[in-house]
Amino acid sequence: QVQLQESGPGLVKPSGTLSLTCAVSGGSISSSNWWSWVRQPPGKGLEWIGEIYHSGSTNYNPSLKSRVTISVDKSKNQFSLKLSSVTAADTAVYYCARDRGIVATERYFDYWGQGTLVTVSS
Amino acid sequence: SSELTQDPAVSVALGQTVRITCQGDSLRSYYASWYQQKPGQAPVLVIYGKNNRPSGIPDRFSGSSSGNTASLTITGAQAEDEADYYCNSRDSSGNHLRVFGGGTKLTVL
Repeated sequence: QVQLQESGPGLVKPSGTLSLTCAVSGGSISSSNWWSWVRQPPGKGLEWIGEIYHSGSTNYNPSLKSRVTISVDKSKNQFSLKLSSVTAADTAVYYCARDRGIVATERYFDYWGQGTLVTVSS
Repeated sequence: SSELTQDPAVSVALGQTVRITCQGDSLRSYYASWYQQKPGQAPVLVIYGKNNRPSGIPDRFSGSSSGNTASLTITGAQAEDEADYYCNSRDSSGNHLRVFGGGTKLTVL
């Protein structure tokens, strides 16, 4: 059973950088899956942030692309998110998820972390 | 704004059938996946691909697609199905991006 666990500071100052890590257990991050970050502002819907493959290939949400970096550490079986120049609008629960789907037309998030609330405030 | 459009809220009487829809151009080429989210919990995958349910998801959940619309149907809705439901698929740009619908709040009466 694959498990994902987010970790990182719960409070970030405005203009600072949000940094989170997702530890993967029960499976290899080098398997044929993409690994995604998704966020949810309080009381709002889900927003896809971006994804990474174990090779290091990434895709980002255009609305966040200038501020986002997703990286992978295969030796630790984990991947990370950095979001720079944060504002209060970046306050959200951040989830990591495994993006399964060998077929390009049939992709889905089958495993999710429990989520971690990050608040941007001084 | 989302490239996948969902009705904000839908209600269904206990035991009846409800359909939740998701519209978007990308759905003509890519399957949608559906997620159930209850308050304070992470989303849970309920339907993926043409009409596939992960292990543990009741068979009252089913999926279908026609043209630019994907649908999640709950046949015989139960009280525990009350939740927010989100669809997800590729965006329509062809740039390997993912997008969520705005979500549908399902109320079981």
